Amino acid sequence: GQQVMQIPQYQHVQEGEDFTTYCNSSTTLSNIQWYKQRPGGHPVFLIQLVKSGEVKKQKRLTFQFGEAKKNSSLHITATQTTDVGTYFCAGRRYSTLTFGKGTMLLVSP
Amino acid sequence: GAVVSQHPSRVICKSGTSVKIECRSLDFQATTMFWYRQFPKQSLMLMATSNEGSKATYEQGVEKDKFLINHASLTLSTLTVTSAHPEDSSFYICSARDKDPRETQYFGPGTRLLVL
Repeated sequence: GQQVMQIPQYQHVQEGEDFTTYCNSSTTLSNIQWYKQRPGGHPVFLIQLVKSGEVKKQKRLTFQFGEAKKNSSLHITATQTTDVGTYFCAGRRYSTLTFGKGTMLLVSP
Repeated sequence: GAVVSQHPSRVICKSGTSVKIECRSLDFQATTMFWYRQFPKQSLMLMATSNEGSKATYEQGVEKDKFLINHASLTLSTLTVTSAHPEDSSFYICSARDKDPRETQYFGPGTRLLVL
């Protein structure tokens, strides 16, 4: 079956440092979605990427979709304590949406 | 943006009882709703996909008779955990997809179930 691997599982950074999480699918995807879950909360949709090589930005967050539509990344520039949480990617292939295990980000002030 | 509600937000029940969780799309028609469960510090695990008016499609390893899903309307889906046991204790999250061509899923706030 379709697998979505996400690395790293966990990262601890100092406020102001950059952060990147990577998502790799075993199969070509129709699109990829990113979610953020704050501690104790529920996943909140951030963005969806559809096109090969697509790059989208949301303030300090940059999302990329690979040319082969099998991998994606989320990069946060100059992290802030409010960025703390778990970032999930979810790859869609046909009618199936498969979540990665998430990357837990901890930001120290 | 689209809002999805879940009720109840928390429930504690005795082992052997059944618990019903409701998922509603408040301002859009949800053709498809998804039910997930999430164990602490783990990823969401898709349990089933329900399409309005038809039977739910369950993921491998999910017991249909234990987790009853009904999607009777375009705004409501229910998940009933039958004869709940302590190992069913988890965070259950639903999401709903509207007819937006981006196929975005909107997540509910989740229901925390504790079975004693």
